[in-house]
Amino acid sequence: SQTIHQWPATLVQPVGSPLSLECTVEGTSNPNLYWYRQAAGRGLQLLFYSVGIGQISSEVPQNLSASRPQDRQFILSSKKLLLSDSGFYLCAWTQTNSPLHFGNGTRLTVT
Amino acid sequence: AQSVTQLGSHVSVSEGALVLLRCNYSSSVPPYLFWYVQYPNQGLQLLLKYTSAATLVKGINGFEAEFKKSETSFHLTKPSAHMSDAAEYFCAVKDSGGNTGKLIFGQGTTLQVKP
Repeated sequence: SQTIHQWPATLVQPVGSPLSLECTVEGTSNPNLYWYRQAAGRGLQLLFYSVGIGQISSEVPQNLSASRPQDRQFILSSKKLLLSDSGFYLCAWTQTNSPLHFGNGTRLTVT
Repeated sequence: AQSVTQLGSHVSVSEGALVLLRCNYSSSVPPYLFWYVQYPNQGLQLLLKYTSAATLVKGINGFEAEFKKSETSFHLTKPSAHMSDAAEYFCAVKDSGGNTGKLIFGQGTTLQVKP
């Protein structure tokens, strides 16, 4: 069966520090991968998605970037964090005719 | 462009009472619709999905939703609320533009269940 792993679960980082969040999917190949951010009272906002290795689409202009170095690995990064980057980050995957499956999320607090 | 609107950011019911969470969608093509549930500090879990088959969709934990094209609605119901149903619920529509698999989410509804 397919599983999705996301880490770390929580992270506290100072303003201006770098960020790297990792997500991996097991038990499938060539999934579509997604990074969502959830801010309090604002629902889920799609940040990036990828339909293949090295293919990244950005949905909103921001201080973050994403990369997909391997088929089942999706990384969210920042060179310098802002206070506004705080939130709950969710990785997800899907394939044709399957619903979106989410990881357990990373709670990022920028101080 | 497709969109989803969830009416009511907070809904409070008594244990044993009917749960009704409202979702209206906007789509120029037949939509694929979903309901997800999120417990505190966890990811989203799929409750049910509508993919143009039966209009009444049954999901996990006793939830069901009815697709009504004339009302552009996909409301989530459960006959009798349990304390364990307290969570945040999201309605979503699948983006029909390209084969991206993206979901467009509503703002979410927090369900409170009172003893």
